Amino acid sequence: GEDVEQSLFLSVREGDSSVINCTYTDSSSTYLYWYKQEPGAGLQLLTYIFSNMDMKQDQRLTVLLNKKDKHLSLRIADTQTGDSAIYFCAGYYNQGGKLIFGQGTELSVKP
Amino acid sequence: DGGITQSPKYLFRKEGQNVTLSCEQNLNHDAMYWYRQDPGQGLRLIYYSQIVNDFQKGDIAEGYSVSREKKESFPLTVTSAQKNPTAFYLCASSVRSDRYEQYFGPGTRLTVT
Repeated sequence: GEDVEQSLFLSVREGDSSVINCTYTDSSSTYLYWYKQEPGAGLQLLTYIFSNMDMKQDQRLTVLLNKKDKHLSLRIADTQTGDSAIYFCAGYYNQGGKLIFGQGTELSVKP
Repeated sequence: DGGITQSPKYLFRKEGQNVTLSCEQNLNHDAMYWYRQDPGQGLRLIYYSQIVNDFQKGDIAEGYSVSREKKESFPLTVTSAQKNPTAFYLCASSVRSDRYEQYFGPGTRLTVT
């Protein structure tokens, strides 16, 4: 079945760039999403990319999609302490019509 | 302000009691979803509804029930049959089930003792 994998933890220094990685198994995924979850809160949609795109930039966020390797990444430039959160990637699969979420990557930003 | 509300934020129940979690949206979205989140895990889909008076089981529907009598509302009942109900529950909605961006409520943390 469909599966989405992420590394569980990432620690960076304030001002550095963060790169959060995600791999997925089903190449039929049409849309891929990045969500942010702060402690005790719901998920906030950050950005998304269509499967026919390689890159999308939105202010400090850059999403890269490598369809050959089924690899998705989220780069956060000039990471701030307010970026500390759990980041989820999710893929939409036409079969089943639902989002499949990764386990989430906890980003810790140290001053 | 448009959005999704879930109430209450924290809920405590004794084992063996049914409990209903509220989810309301004023985004005029057709599709609504319930997820369960456990520490260190991703989100698992419990139930979803693409239209009023219709809903489908997700991956972990056992021990849960839902209704969709109004477009704005999608309450989730955690029954006594759910073996491990303590978790963080998240409700989401999207314009249609084939419009994929889902928007989430703030969540309800349920503790059953």
